[in-house]
Amino acid sequence: QTVVTQEPSFSVSPGGTVTLTCGLSSGSVSTSYYPSWYQQTPGQAPRMLIYNTNTRSSGVPDRFSGSILGNRAALTITGAQADDESDYYCGLYMGSGISVFGGGTKLTVL
Amino acid sequence: EVQLLESGGGLVQPGGSLRLSCAASGFTFSSYAMNWIRQAPGKGLEWVSGISASGAITYYADSVKGRFTISRDNSKSTVYLQMNSLGAEDTAVYYCAKRETGLWYFDYWGQGTLVTVSS
Repeated sequence: QTVVTQEPSFSVSPGGTVTLTCGLSSGSVSTSYYPSWYQQTPGQAPRMLIYNTNTRSSGVPDRFSGSILGNRAALTITGAQADDESDYYCGLYMGSGISVFGGGTKLTVL
Repeated sequence: EVQLLESGGGLVQPGGSLRLSCAASGFTFSSYAMNWIRQAPGKGLEWVSGISASGAITYYADSVKGRFTISRDNSKSTVYLQMNSLGAEDTAVYYCAKRETGLWYFDYWGQGTLVTVSS
């Protein structure tokens, strides 16, 4: 069974840039997996940030961007702010109506 | 404004059953696929099940196949998740989420309902 992998944790300084990635235990992530990214703060429901690899959801600041980097999907935050401190999850479409999420990355801004 | 309101969670004994509901408003419910996604305490997200806009096609994660059944009533703008043979591993917050037909992302999520499986 294919596992979606993410960095467990990451740290960034305020104003800095960080790139979180999303890979597969076997194979490469491409646009065919329709990568999407979600932000979740404690006690809240997830909020969609990015869909179809690189399209920002309505209302999402342009400091968030999505891409494919090598064999992984990537979420880049440029000019990180304190309220970006959250858990970030990627989602991939595996075909046959099945979606799988990564284990999530806990981002600390300090 | 899109709203998704889950209900039906609670404490259930191992081996028991529970039915979750998700009432939708603010969009044309019958035009969108719907999904259930869960999150065990302190853990990540796990996609559980999905249903097409018409209800004709359903999808399940291997972890729940044969035990859970998703359904919808477009006249009531509500999606359901019937959960049988529950085990401790099913303890989680269950979110319903809207999905564009033919697209593979979840653009709106409810606030979730907690299911606890324990004796």
